[in-house]
Amino acid sequence: ETGVTQTPRHLVMGMTNKKSLKCEQHLGHNAMYWYKQSAKKPLELMFVYNFKEQTENNSVPSRFSPECPNSSHLFLHLHTLQPEDSALYLCASSQDGDGYQPQHFGDGTRLSIL
Amino acid sequence: KQEVTQIPAALSVPEGENLVLNCSFTDSAIYNLQWFRQDPGKGLTSLLLIQSSQREQTSGRLNASLDKSSGRSTLYIAASQPGDSATYLCAVVPYSGAGSYQLTFGKGTKLSVIP
Repeated sequence: ETGVTQTPRHLVMGMTNKKSLKCEQHLGHNAMYWYKQSAKKPLELMFVYNFKEQTENNSVPSRFSPECPNSSHLFLHLHTLQPEDSALYLCASSQDGDGYQPQHFGDGTRLSIL
Repeated sequence: KQEVTQIPAALSVPEGENLVLNCSFTDSAIYNLQWFRQDPGKGLTSLLLIQSSQREQTSGRLNASLDKSSGRSTLYIAASQPGDSATYLCAVVPYSGAGSYQLTFGKGTKLSVIP
């Protein structure tokens, strides 16, 4: 596989469930990102990891918990979500987190909260 | 706070037409500007990246320009094809001076190319 792969592609969960989103990149990049894309709003950056260390947390509620065990994998653990958390969650990676390199995106996980 | 605006929100053109998509940003202190394409139900595909020191970038039928002083960028698509139909997103990396390199996105322009 090449590029950035996200699983699952679709997820429906209740507000009391716990689930995790997974992202894997096969590009040899060192920086990984989580974004949220809601209808009629610009993409919002959630978290940035550079060389496995979290470097950005964009005031994201604690019901979203990221994990980056190595430079190739990124997880987003979800618990006690709200209906307004329904959105497309996109993962991206770049060579480094210095802002000069283009970011490469996965196809996202469409999350629906019942 | 940096804001990115894309006008129009939607555009419909006949096949073969040349077209221009517009992007404006409020703060000229940026590292770079990137244009993306997003197909329905898919992630983003990077089209062109223009560093702050550059004026334009070209890839095939696409040409992106950057006028940092006026806070504007355009994406020119030559000889449009139905396969170009997608949402086009513009994003900048603002210079914050604090080691933060967040992409700030516009809401996009939804392009439909009619056969």
